[in-house]
Amino acid sequence: EDQVTQSPEALRLQEGESSSLNCSYTVSGLRGLFWYRQDPGKGPEFLFTLYSAGEEKEKERLKATLTKKESFLHITAPKPEDSATYLCAVRLADRGSTLGRLYFGRGTQLTVWP
Amino acid sequence: DTEVTQTPKHLVMGMTNKKSLKCEQHMGHRAMYWYKQKAKKPPELMFVYSYEKLSINESVPSRFSPECPNSSLLNLHLHALQPEDSALYLCASSQLMGMGRRLSGNTIYFGEGSWLTVV
Repeated sequence: EDQVTQSPEALRLQEGESSSLNCSYTVSGLRGLFWYRQDPGKGPEFLFTLYSAGEEKEKERLKATLTKKESFLHITAPKPEDSATYLCAVRLADRGSTLGRLYFGRGTQLTVWP
Repeated sequence: DTEVTQTPKHLVMGMTNKKSLKCEQHMGHRAMYWYKQKAKKPPELMFVYSYEKLSINESVPSRFSPECPNSSLLNLHLHALQPEDSALYLCASSQLMGMGRRLSGNTIYFGEGSWLTVV
């Protein structure tokens, strides 16, 4: 069973049409939720880190928010260059080291057309 | 500036070849990682080095051999790979927090990846 679920799997938006991507997690003990953007054939590019419910972060047309069980990535007035796969990952509190153990969602493939 | 540099960007190798993937970061991070990513799938953790010592090996086959020569460099030595090992190999780094068994990584920054094709 997936511990991190992203929805929708794919999203097509017209340029300027705002929307939100969802990342929900089913486990407790969050030590960080991370959003990445990944272009085809390239490594994930870091966007945001959120640590506690109520936290919000913004960067250009993107805004990430966090609640106790999910995070949203809001895209305002997207442009074609925002087309990419957006990955969500969580680091959970283990009894031992959590070093490197990120639980990734499967991603949302966003396409923005002119 | 957050930058993790990987070489080569593309590699084609036969099943009997020996090759290496290289990674470098100059952010002062003391944790470095190798991830593997197949098409349409999220990255999967392979190895973690903290303070230049191997901390985590996610039961990776011995045909993959990591090496951390110093705090800025990370290598992945490849030998006798199989076609199913073809994937995007991602190097990453992060700062470290905590101590001992509670050691944890901060935000993980990825490189552009090395595309590996095994023929």
